[in-house]
Amino acid sequence: DGGITQSPKYLFRKEGQNVTLSCEQNLNHDAMYWYRQDPGQGLRLIYYSQIVNDFQKGDIAEGYSVSREKKESFPLTVTSAQKNPTAFYLCASSRGLADEQFFGPGTRLTVL
Amino acid sequence: GESVGLHLPTLSVQEGDNSIINCAYSNSASDYFIWYKQESGKGPQFIIDIRSNMDKRQGQRVTVLLNKTVKHLSLQIAATQPGDSAVYFCAETLRGAGSYQLTFGKGTKLSVIP
Repeated sequence: DGGITQSPKYLFRKEGQNVTLSCEQNLNHDAMYWYRQDPGQGLRLIYYSQIVNDFQKGDIAEGYSVSREKKESFPLTVTSAQKNPTAFYLCASSRGLADEQFFGPGTRLTVL
Repeated sequence: GESVGLHLPTLSVQEGDNSIINCAYSNSASDYFIWYKQESGKGPQFIIDIRSNMDKRQGQRVTVLLNKTVKHLSLQIAATQPGDSAVYFCAETLRGAGSYQLTFGKGTKLSVIP
């Protein structure tokens, strides 16, 4: 099956700890994205990557970091510098920038 | 700044009726628009897209209309079914040299009454 996966589905962390969210795709897409979604809100772009070893900040990159060492993988680290990390995190990929984006199932992060 | 918004935050329709979900955009430079459906606890699912050189595009039971004059986008769902209940987002791309951004609206919740 081709698709995009995120793990884990639910994640709980203590305040002050860094946490890494996984995103993998086997669609052979060049572009990948991370969004944050808060209740009753739209999606806000955290980071995106057009190609391997390249990534750009989105609207709300502060407190987050990413890497793109492989085409299939785009992990997101939520650092202790992120003031309000509890949210639903969505990863997406597309063939190229501005192409149709396919979303993963999301990871719900709760910081206690 | 430029943003994408929706006229109606919630919409309730009777099963079998047609649904119309509206969206306003403010950036006249946007040239690609997408509608997504998001069921509770899941990631958004692509429904249909339209480029700015088109006024209308049809899919299976769905139609997207684009009115560039008033910067308005709508999603029409024919013969609405209970499985259509979800939050629907419109999104636009803001294209520019060396930059890319897909801007989402807050979403409209569609509830289908059996």
